Amino acid sequence: AQKVTQAQTEISVVEKEDVTLDCVYETRDTTYYLFWYKQPPSGELVFLIRRNSFDEQNEISGRYSWNFQKSTSSFNFTITASQVVDSAVYFCARSDPGAGSYQLTFGKGTKLSVIP
Amino acid sequence: AAGVIQSPRHLIKEKRETATLKCYPIPRHDTVYWYQQGPGQDPQFLISFYEKMQSDKGSIPDRFSAQQFSDYHSELNMSSLELGDSALYFCASRPRDRANSGNTIYFGEGSWLTVV
Repeated sequence: AQKVTQAQTEISVVEKEDVTLDCVYETRDTTYYLFWYKQPPSGELVFLIRRNSFDEQNEISGRYSWNFQKSTSSFNFTITASQVVDSAVYFCARSDPGAGSYQLTFGKGTKLSVIP
Repeated sequence: AAGVIQSPRHLIKEKRETATLKCYPIPRHDTVYWYQQGPGQDPQFLISFYEKMQSDKGSIPDRFSAQQFSDYHSELNMSSLELGDSALYFCASRPRDRANSGNTIYFGEGSWLTVV
């Protein structure tokens, strides 16, 4: 499977600060899908966003925004004006048409702690 | 909206015992996945089913087996449990309608297995 790298293991920010979570992926395909999931302390995996490889348009959803750059194989995630409820582990993931049933390959995750 | 339903949510077993986890995918989802997430780890793909047929296999131990039934629910059977099997087990599903979902995979809340 092609790797997904989240170099930041843990990040701590003070509430209301902005924070960017990095994600770099390997690619040998022209078609692939990238995702971000949030895992709060309760354990569930919550889907946040999907990006197709052929759509480089950045996206904003409330305080969340995503920057997809194929030239650098990066799909970074920014939280603006962070809140305590944003504290979680965030996983970047990809799926590929060549990977059987499009199963996901995850990065190691970035643990975000937002301090009040 | 309906989500992926997993049961039981928590399970404690002794070494060498057997455990069965159940998963009910979201309606109109045709692919089911099982993932294992060890403490502090990223989720690892175990196995997937497409339209009730096994479609891909990941790092699933030989002691584990899974199947998908005619009503699309799936079960993961784990035998001869070892301490290292203690983990959070996720079931996930993918919509049949690829055009709108773009291969997004939705996860259940997970089943916590503790082997003592």
